[in-house]
Amino acid sequence: GAGVSQSPRYKVAKRGQDVALRCDPISGHVSLFWYQQALGQGPEFLTYFQNEAQLDKSGLPSDRFFAERPEGSVSTLKIQRTQQEDSAVYLCASTVTRGAGGYTFGSGTRLTVV
Amino acid sequence: DQQVKQNSPSLSVQEGRISILNCDYTNSMFDYFLWYKKYPAEGPTFLISISSIKDKNEDGRFTVFLNKSAKHLSLHIVPSQPGDSAVYFCAASPLLRGGADGLTFGKGTHLIIQP
Repeated sequence: GAGVSQSPRYKVAKRGQDVALRCDPISGHVSLFWYQQALGQGPEFLTYFQNEAQLDKSGLPSDRFFAERPEGSVSTLKIQRTQQEDSAVYLCASTVTRGAGGYTFGSGTRLTVV
Repeated sequence: DQQVKQNSPSLSVQEGRISILNCDYTNSMFDYFLWYKKYPAEGPTFLISISSIKDKNEDGRFTVFLNKSAKHLSLHIVPSQPGDSAVYFCAASPLLRGGADGLTFGKGTHLIIQP
């Protein structure tokens, strides 16, 4: 596609529920990133993939967060046993290769945990 | 501890005048800096970047200045237009040193262009 596509756009989850957020990067983009943006804050780095390899997951806030990109294209961010503090916009970004200027962001998934 | 700081949550500028958005950083390992623009309900859009080997980069109405000794950068928009009204994020990375690939963002500055 022309841009980075994320689904769903909005997700309401009950506390304790598991959720899965999808990111479809620009075709051919090797690098893929996930960020978490809380209300009134800037995006915060969660994890980074180069093709199917997860090279950095230092930003994942707990072991309830898990990301995968099994075939080096589509990525899924999974959050288990969601808690209220997980409420945020989850942004996915991709770029042709590491360091290739600005990353292209998707519109994000707004997760609300009630 | 915020490593990238945007101390002005909002800025109001008249159409046609210059908008200056400021950003400070504390991590000496940062050597690549970017500015993003964000409209409501959309993802951030890349505007302009600068590496630490330069002190200025210009692209049309947008110019970014980097003062390494002060650990300060600024984005100048001239002339300001109504479509420039958005939240602007400053971001940094230790890219050239082969550091972490994730960007560290500031909290953003909401720029409002008044007619």
